[in-house]
Amino acid sequence: GAVVSQHPSWVICKSGTSVKIECRSLDFQATTMFWYRQFPKQSLMLMATSNEGSKATYEQGVEKDKFLINHASLTLSTLTVTSAHPEDSSFYICSASPHGHLNTEAFFGQGTRLTVV
Amino acid sequence: AQTVTQSQPEMSVQEAETVTLSCTYDTSESNYYLFWYKQPPSRQMILVIRQEAYKQQNATENRFSVNFQKAAKSFSLKISDSQLGDTAMYFCAFATDTGTASKLTFGTGTRLQVTL
Repeated sequence: GAVVSQHPSWVICKSGTSVKIECRSLDFQATTMFWYRQFPKQSLMLMATSNEGSKATYEQGVEKDKFLINHASLTLSTLTVTSAHPEDSSFYICSASPHGHLNTEAFFGQGTRLTVV
Repeated sequence: AQTVTQSQPEMSVQEAETVTLSCTYDTSESNYYLFWYKQPPSRQMILVIRQEAYKQQNATENRFSVNFQKAAKSFSLKISDSQLGDTAMYFCAFATDTGTASKLTFGTGTRLQVTL
């Protein structure tokens, strides 16, 4: 199957700093990628749709200035948590589907655990 | 907007037994896709099974099968011959026909524990 890779797997940062998380499709091109957030023992909530070459689409309630998304190439989307605070601590997961699997399966990165101290 | 509801926060089953996880959803769409994803302790999301709403036949993948009741908006997962490796969080998920399989609305999850 297709492979989606996230980096880093975990990160600890100080309150007020920014953190960048990368999501790469390793063996396919993805014009669209998706970012999810998962709180401990809770479900995945869609944060935003990352569109290659254009602005991301954010879900209601997600601050676009807090969570900056850049999709500069067909294989890379980045999520930057700006001026991070402890309440931003969470597990962030990206997903994408190859063109031939658009309606069949989502391929997920391994996730990034962010801890803001 | 779509909603997905999983009413069983936790389930337990003995090895080799059968267990059914419940899922209901709400949508005004006529065609869509339903999924069950597994999240083991590694937290890597893994597709278990998929169902297209326009197909009446229930999907089956080895020990995993679904009971899809479109009129009732119900999509339960049956795991037969449960194995220790099935221990995980299971999420029911919904995707619209106009979106992609990666744009998902998830249920709250059911934590399944398989015991000896």
